[in-house]
Amino acid sequence: NAGVTQTPKFQVLKTGQSMTLQCAQDMNHNSMYWYRQDPGMGLRLIYYSASEGTTDKGEVPNGYNVSRLNKREFSLRLESAAPSQTSVYFCASSSGRTPPGEQFFGPGTRLTVL
Amino acid sequence: AQTVTQSQPEMSVQEAETVTLSCTYDTSENNYYLFWYKQPPSRQMILVIRQEAYKQQNATENRFSVNFQKAAKSFSLKISDSQLGDTAMYFCAFMKKGGSEKLVFGKGTKLTVNP
Repeated sequence: NAGVTQTPKFQVLKTGQSMTLQCAQDMNHNSMYWYRQDPGMGLRLIYYSASEGTTDKGEVPNGYNVSRLNKREFSLRLESAAPSQTSVYFCASSSGRTPPGEQFFGPGTRLTVL
Repeated sequence: AQTVTQSQPEMSVQEAETVTLSCTYDTSENNYYLFWYKQPPSRQMILVIRQEAYKQQNATENRFSVNFQKAAKSFSLKISDSQLGDTAMYFCAFMKKGGSEKLVFGKGTKLTVNP
């Protein structure tokens, strides 16, 4: 099993450009998440999807949109990138079964917006 | 809203010694879970240990143990017999029981194990 995969691993954008970060998991997990990690800030939740067909905002959703394409895939879209969105983005998934709380993370995407 | 505070941005320890990382949290919830995640230089986030708030017994996983003080809202991680591979960022995280499994993370503690 590949676990959680993310593409691309690195990306450089110019201000105003758009892009979609892709995430897929092969563990048959119900829930998926997008986080951003900034120096000194820890991980902050952008959006999450508790099950296929549902999405909800997290702590820092402004400037982002998400799509839960199917049970496996959860994409994050930046419509008009800004320098403040320079960050490392992590996708994660969890089964929702007992015991709860273990999220499995992808390797991250380092995004730079110039 | 829940908050998680890690007051030690950086720590270091000598190989084979013991180190304790601190975490405090603020919540009005009574049922919740607490976690420590490790992020080595590879950036891969890995669950180290989990504690259920209704369990009084502190969780242990091999060389890792926690000191959970519910009334004080404190959740520290003790690493015994530190190894070079323990060098990483460590994040404390909170999750409310029930509903979606959203995690609230602290800002992290950078631990360096010196040979």
